[in-house]
Amino acid sequence: QQPVQSPQAVILREGEDAVINCSSSKALYSVHWYRQKHGEAPVFLMILLKGGEQKGHEKISASFNEKKQQSSLYLTASQLSYSGTYFCGTTLQETSGSRLTFGEGTQLTVNP
Amino acid sequence: NAGVMQNPRHLVRRRGQEARLRCSPMKGHSHVYWYRQLPEEGLKFMVYLQKENIIDESGMPKERFSAEFPKEGPSILRIQQVVRGDSAAYFCASSPGQPYGYTFGSGTRLTVV
Repeated sequence: QQPVQSPQAVILREGEDAVINCSSSKALYSVHWYRQKHGEAPVFLMILLKGGEQKGHEKISASFNEKKQQSSLYLTASQLSYSGTYFCGTTLQETSGSRLTFGEGTQLTVNP
Repeated sequence: NAGVMQNPRHLVRRRGQEARLRCSPMKGHSHVYWYRQLPEEGLKFMVYLQKENIIDESGMPKERFSAEFPKEGPSILRIQQVVRGDSAAYFCASSPGQPYGYTFGSGTRLTVV
């Protein structure tokens, strides 16, 4: 089942904050977050595992609420370089090579 | 570490021809995945392979598409008798397995004319 991302698009001014959500109707083992710039490959940001946790990566952090099967990506004090499409990807199983199912993406635009 | 290598970057095929897309995973990564992406859309899973084995091909169209990851050499995604609807970006990703993330290649942009 494909996870649902919201919002579909967000426009910020440099320095503003944003939250991107990713929800699933199935019990998840892991949630991945990737950023893709136009014409480029997706780049891995972070992974969160079931059990509920929060991770940070510079000014980008994420949380995973196992009870709600929802993950949120937090971008604080946004920079122009944060522009791109953010995808969450989910796995349902703990097996080593479980495939990722991606959401439709959230397009983030940061303006000066 | 050279990362995930995909070639060619761009491929133009006439309708009815065959397309072969190649992917060499990162060193130490035994899991290889192929995804298709249409313009302005998300990443759609196609197939998951390990050396000499197709583990999950639930996203592969039943006809014209095949994938392999031989003991020696890169993984190959093969599309026979291409049609205009096959035009897309095809990304390969590799991983050492959970709980690690995927590393994506630069993709192959297939255009069918």
